[in-house]
Parts: sequence; C-alpha cells; structure tokens
Amino acid sequence: QAVLTQPSSLSASPGASASLTCTLRSGINVGTCRIYWYQQKPGSPPQYLLRYKSDSDKQQGSGVPSRFSGSKDASANAGILLISGLQSEDEADYYCMIWHSSASNWVFGGGTKLTVL
Amino acid sequence: EVQLVESGGGLVQPGGSLRLSCAASGFTFSSYDMHWVRQATGKGLEWVSAIGSAGDTYYPGSVKGRFTISRENAKNSLYLQMNSLRAEDTAVYYCAAENPTGELDYWGQGTLVTVSS
Repeated sequence: QAVLTQPSSLSASPGASASLTCTLRSGINVGTCRIYWYQQKPGSPPQYLLRYKSDSDKQQGSGVPSRFSGSKDASANAGILLISGLQSEDEADYYCMIWHSSASNWVFGGGTKLTVL
Repeated sequence: EVQLVESGGGLVQPGGSLRLSCAASGFTFSSYDMHWVRQATGKGLEWVSAIGSAGDTYYPGSVKGRFTISRENAKNSLYLQMNSLRAEDTAVYYCAAENPTGELDYWGQGTLVTVSS
C-alpha cells in the first residue's frame, strides 16, 4: 500500500470548488504530519502551494492566492487541498508530500490531475 | 533572483554512471537542506535524495546504495552521483531547496537522464 494515495484525476467547473485528497497509509497518523502541496503545470517544475498541519501550523506559499487552502479529515486519515472559485489556470497536477519519519524519507503522493471544464 | 540550474544529464547505458550538478544562486545555499526529485515522462514526482545543511544524507530504498548526494557550499553546488543505473532511473531530475519549515521553495528546471542501450 502506498504511503500517500491521491485520486488520479478530478474534474470541476469554473467558479466551483475542488477538494483534492491525500490519504495516508494506515499506521501513519495524519494528525502528526505536516502536509505539503505542490502544483505542476505541463513543461514546468513543481511549485510550492502551501503547508498544513493544523490551523495553528500552516503556511501559504509566496504569491499563492487565498483560494487555495489546506485542511485535514482525521476520520479519513487524509489531508485536503481545497481550491475555491476555480479558474482555468488552476488546471494542473497537484501533489502532496510528507516527511515519513519512521522511514526517514520524504514521500510524494501519486498526484491528481485537475481538469477545469 | 533565486536560481537553481541542473546539468550533467544525458544518455547512459544500463549499469553506467552519471554525475548531476546543481548550481545555486540568489540565496544562502549553505543554510538550506537540498533535494533531488525525479519525474519519469508522464509520471508523478519521486523523491530521490536529500542532504542537510550539516551534511546528513537521506535516500529512499529505490536508490540507496547506488546514488550519492553531496554538496560543496564554497561553490554553491549540489551533486548527485548515480551508479549502476537502470532503465527505471530514466527521468527528469530536479534539484530543490528546502527552507527551514520543510517547504521545497525553489526548484530548478530539471535535467533529463536517459538510461538505455
């Protein structure tokens, strides 16, 4: 089972909201993890969006609109990237990442391709 | 302006070696942990290695024992020595700089490594 699982694709309409999930493998408690989110557009390197652990431990990347926000669903053991007021420019691949402390490894999720149509 | 410029990619035969370099500028290189992240064509991001500002190193199991990350602070440079290369190591390799709170703030444009006979 992968450490981080993301849905491979998600579609949403302009102006709507999209909730991208990043589910942690059983045994890794989402409550203890800082979850980092990255956006990647075709032909470009990834770009840091935001970090979320809790409402008191979070950070927005420089220049990242407030339409992008992070949260968690403890019952699902998942991190969430919420994008509100979707715009065509939000169409991209989104990756979550954590520090997997027990393995001393950084780990990326498989990524979600967001289509805005 | 922050810049990370990778070099050293190319075509190499299976079992061969390659050394990637990343030249950093525009920030205090010696204070940052540095990473290599790769991406096979059409695939997701895969964390490859990291080196702390103090020289501690980290690798996932997929490259441990074959890849070696190093840095030369006096030259603001990061390196990745890749030995015993396999076809599955074919990817674009990005270097990235991690700020003190864990975000990969800065990314290079990547260098392509192709392992093929």
